Amino acid sequence: DADVTQTPRNRITKTGKRIMLECSQTKGHDRMYWYRQDPGLGLRLIYYSFDVKDINKGEISDGYSVSRQAQAKFSLSLESAIPNQTALYFCATSDPRSNQPQHFGDGTRLSIL
Amino acid sequence: AQSVTQPDIHITVSEGASLELRCNYSYGATPYLFWYVQSPGQGLQLLLKYFSGDTLVQGIKGFEAEFKRSQSSFNLRKPSVHWSDAAEYFCAVGPTGGGNKLTFGTGTQLKVEL
Repeated sequence: DADVTQTPRNRITKTGKRIMLECSQTKGHDRMYWYRQDPGLGLRLIYYSFDVKDINKGEISDGYSVSRQAQAKFSLSLESAIPNQTALYFCATSDPRSNQPQHFGDGTRLSIL
Repeated sequence: AQSVTQPDIHITVSEGASLELRCNYSYGATPYLFWYVQSPGQGLQLLLKYFSGDTLVQGIKGFEAEFKRSQSSFNLRKPSVHWSDAAEYFCAVGPTGGGNKLTFGTGTQLKVEL
């Protein structure tokens, strides 16, 4: 089983719909992250959480919200989806000790029509 | 603010040829540097990391990278490329001493010709 699991893997939806992307991990890491990937732009940080009671905005948080339901679960919501939120979304986790790398899920491909 | 530049959007090499992917960073202190690889339909896999010590670091799949502080660079190299190395490669920089927030470059797409 994957250490970082994202569901769904693919989603097509319509403008204005509410969407939730889910991420769960079995690595026991406290820190979790949501990124979006767009061609030619690399990965950009949407939100991150350093523990269950800690939520922080990244560089592109507008139009998104998150929920850290437990140490192992971190969900990303699009309250009212718009076409320019079409992208590949990644969840990642990391150990809070210094200098530890992030571990990524396989991504969710989201298309908004 | 920290930033990463990968100047090559696409690179094509022949199988068996050597490879160098460029990465330049901007960071106000000693950086923590990574290279990740993304195969189609997959997440990002860590190739190697640098945070201190020997400036030449070895990674998985035969890759290595050299940290050059004077040039603010962390270029990725492989002596002999295999067709399975075709993927997108990302350089990232983060702060040492904790925090784990990474800034990614825009990626380099590697194509391998047989």
